[in-house]
Amino acid sequence: SQTIHQWPATLVQPVGSPLSLECTVEGTSNPNLYWYRQAAGRGLQLLFYSVGIGQISSEVPQNLSASRPQDRQFILSSKKLLLSDSGFYLCAWTSGLGGQETQYFGPGTRLLVL
Amino acid sequence: SQQGEEDPQALSIQEGENATMNCSYKTSINNLQWYRQNSGRGLVHLILIRSNEREKHSGRLRVTLDTSKKSSSLLITASRAADTASYFCALRSNDYKLSFGAGTTVTVRA
Repeated sequence: SQTIHQWPATLVQPVGSPLSLECTVEGTSNPNLYWYRQAAGRGLQLLFYSVGIGQISSEVPQNLSASRPQDRQFILSSKKLLLSDSGFYLCAWTSGLGGQETQYFGPGTRLLVL
Repeated sequence: SQQGEEDPQALSIQEGENATMNCSYKTSINNLQWYRQNSGRGLVHLILIRSNEREKHSGRLRVTLDTSKKSSSLLITASRAADTASYFCALRSNDYKLSFGAGTTVTVRA
């Protein structure tokens, strides 16, 4: 069966520090991968998605970047965090094959920038 | 891309009662999905309804879709304390992406 991992679960970082959040998927090949951010009590904002290794689409201009160095690995990064980067970051995957449209979410990373 | 708008924002019901929430949208969709999120956790897929379907059931869940009114509803029957969560509708157009609404927070009182 497929599983999706995210780490760390919680992170407290000072303003101006770098960020690296990792997401890995097991049990599937060629997934479509997604990074979302959720502000407290709000819906999900799509940040990036990837349909293959090295292929990244950015949805909103921001202080963050994403990379996909391996088929089942998706990394969210920042060189210098801002206070506004605080939030709950969720990684999700869906099958790259047609007809499978459900998104499967990881447990999330709660980021607090101070 | 468009977002769904859920209504109400929050709902408090007694255990055993039914809970109904709605999602409205503005442009055409390929399918509409409902997800649940327990506090501080990831989202869990509940049900998917395609644009050519009108109603789907899954256990105690019933979803309807009215494409002429551009709206969907999620009904949870005989609610339980474990149904306490936030519920999101997500819209799929003709691309790889889902657009999520702001959600409905449901509290089931014992």
